[in-house]
Amino acid sequence: AQKVTQAQTEISVVEKEDVTLDCVYETRDTTYYLFWYKQPPSGELVFLIRRNSFDEQNEISGRYSWNFQKSTSSFNFTITASQVVDSAVYFCALSLTIQGAQKLVFGQGTRLTINP
Amino acid sequence: DGGITQSPKYLFRKEGQNVTLSCEQNLNHDAMYWYRQDPGQGLRLIYYSQIVNDFQKGDIAEGYSVSREKKESFPLTVTSAQKNPTAFYLCASSIWPSGGGENEQFFGPGTRLTVL
Repeated sequence: AQKVTQAQTEISVVEKEDVTLDCVYETRDTTYYLFWYKQPPSGELVFLIRRNSFDEQNEISGRYSWNFQKSTSSFNFTITASQVVDSAVYFCALSLTIQGAQKLVFGQGTRLTINP
Repeated sequence: DGGITQSPKYLFRKEGQNVTLSCEQNLNHDAMYWYRQDPGQGLRLIYYSQIVNDFQKGDIAEGYSVSREKKESFPLTVTSAQKNPTAFYLCASSIWPSGGGENEQFFGPGTRLTVL
C-alpha cells in the first residue's frame, strides 16, 4: 500500500523556536519521489521541495531543512528560527507513476501556528 | 504571469443541483488534476487528465464528471449523485510525461463549495 502519515495534526510554537514536522511514508516501489507543500490561509498549495528515493542527502534552503532517511521511511522538515509567516498547513506527499500517470499521495497535513 | 485560475472562489449549491467548477491554466502543461480537501484531511484525487480528450478516474470519482476539450481547461462538475459535496476543491497541473513521478504539481487557489 502507498501511504503517507503525518502524525502531528497541529503544532503551536512561539516565534524564533525551531520546529520539526514529521513525515513517514510506505511504498513498495524502489523509485519514487517525495514532496513537501505549504498551504497558507489563501488556500493554494505552494511547492517547497522534491527529493528522489536515490538521494539521501539532507537539504537546506535558508531557514528550511529536510532530512530524508530511507532506512526509517521518513522525510522530516525542520524550520529554524520560525516566523509568524511560516504559519500554514504543511503537506508531505509521495509521488508515484501508475500507467504513465503521476499520482500524488498526500499525508493528512500538519497545521503549524507560529505565535508572536 | 503564468498560473492556474479557479472560479468561483466560493460556490453555494442547493441539494439536487449540478454545479461546475472552472479551472484554467496558461502554463502549457499537458497534465491536469482535481483534488478534494476535507477539514483535517489531505488531498484526495478525483480525476486527472494527461492529454486533451482523455481523462482517468482518481480515488474518489463517484458523483463527479470532467471534460478536457482544450489543453488549458479542465472543468469539474459536481453532480447531484455526490452525497457529501461540501469541501474545498483544488485544481493542479504539471508537465507530462512524468518518467518517475518527479514533476511538481502547480496548484490553483481553490473553490470552496457549500451545499445548503
